[in-house]
Amino acid sequence: AQSVTQLDSQVPVFEEAPVELRCNYSSSVSVYLFWYVQYPNQGLQLLLKYLSGSTLVKGINGFEAEFNKSQTSFHLRKPSVHISDTAEYFCAVSVREWLKGGKLIFGQGTELSVKP
Amino acid sequence: GAVVSQHPSWVICKSGTSVKIECRSLDFQATTMFWYRQFPKQSLMLMATSNEGSKATYEQGVEKDKFLINHASLTLSTLTVTSAHPEDSSFYICSASPRIDRGYEQYFGPGTRLTVT
Repeated sequence: AQSVTQLDSQVPVFEEAPVELRCNYSSSVSVYLFWYVQYPNQGLQLLLKYLSGSTLVKGINGFEAEFNKSQTSFHLRKPSVHISDTAEYFCAVSVREWLKGGKLIFGQGTELSVKP
Repeated sequence: GAVVSQHPSWVICKSGTSVKIECRSLDFQATTMFWYRQFPKQSLMLMATSNEGSKATYEQGVEKDKFLINHASLTLSTLTVTSAHPEDSSFYICSASPRIDRGYEQYFGPGTRLTVT
């Protein structure tokens, strides 16, 4: 069975500092990986996804993530955060048989709090 | 573009009553819609997937007679929680996909908080 673990439930960081939100997955088959962001009172928005190709994936709002198969990780990074990045971030995984149908398994979420 | 709305945003109901939650894709046709449940500080759990005009496919452990899903049109899906009990209190989120061959491209609604007293 597939599972996703987000290692940090809360990450406080000062504005303009770099940040890394950690995500590890477990799967016996090849995976496809996603990061979503949820701002207060809004629906989840896709930040970036890894389906194939380059393991370094760039997304919206200056975020990027690197797929590391050997470490079964897909950590999200941003070199310099803004107050507006304060939100909940979710990592999600899918596998080939689910991809077309859209089934996603989500992690528990990481609350990023950017302080001035 | 690609906006999904949910109504109501929050609802309180008494134990034993039923409550209906609507999910609408406002500016695209949704071939597939998904319903998730989220407990505080926990991940989104997929409850069911529905395609327009077809019966919903429920995930293991989800009671289909309790959580009735109707995907009546390409822009509307409803989730009815029947005979609700306090343990059904949760945050319910829907998402919609415009591509039948790319279900992973989902647009999420803002969620509905259900409290059963």
